[in-house]
Amino acid sequence: AQSVAQPEDQVNVAEGNPLTVKCTYSVSGNPYLFWYVQYPNRGLQFLLKYITGDNLVKGSYGFEAEFNKSQTSFHLKKPSALVSDSALYFCAVRDGGSQGNLIFGKGTKLSVKP
Amino acid sequence: EPEVTQTPSHQVTQMGQEVILRCVPISNHLYFYWYRQILGQKVEFLVSFYNNEISEKSEIFDDQFSVERPDGSNFTLKIRSTKLEDSAMYFCASSSDRVSYNEQFFGPGTRLTVL
Repeated sequence: AQSVAQPEDQVNVAEGNPLTVKCTYSVSGNPYLFWYVQYPNRGLQFLLKYITGDNLVKGSYGFEAEFNKSQTSFHLKKPSALVSDSALYFCAVRDGGSQGNLIFGKGTKLSVKP
Repeated sequence: EPEVTQTPSHQVTQMGQEVILRCVPISNHLYFYWYRQILGQKVEFLVSFYNNEISEKSEIFDDQFSVERPDGSNFTLKIRSTKLEDSAMYFCASSSDRVSYNEQFFGPGTRLTVL
């Protein structure tokens, strides 16, 4: 069965410091991996995705994610965090053979302090 | 920038009542989805919809649930007889096609509270 794990409920980072939000996955076929962000009272906003090719994927707002097949991980990273990055981050996976529904992790709350 | 919209933002209902949650997907999208998130839990897939029929549904999507595209713009989720455990945030999403690597665009959600 497909699954996604986000091991941290919350990540606290000082502004200007690098941040990492962790995600590991389990799928039977080729994984298509996504990161979404949710700001208060807003819908889930797409940040980036991994389909194939380069293991380092760049996305919106300066975020990037590194796909590691051997560790079945897809951690979200940013070199220098902003206070405005504070939000709820969701990792999601879709099995390449599925009809399209996303399997989400439980979300990680990122808090960036000035 | 086009976006998915949902109404209402918050719905309060009594147990056993019917509710209809409404969504307007992005206009040129063809695939539509409902997800829900019970407070403190994961976002869970409910159903996908294409060409006026359900493409896929989860175990959660039982006979109490139905979806409809009543006109060219709206996409609705109906819960026939609400239960306390239906209280959750419900998200609508749409995508331009069913290709697995295309992202889905989500609405802001409707918070359903069943009393």
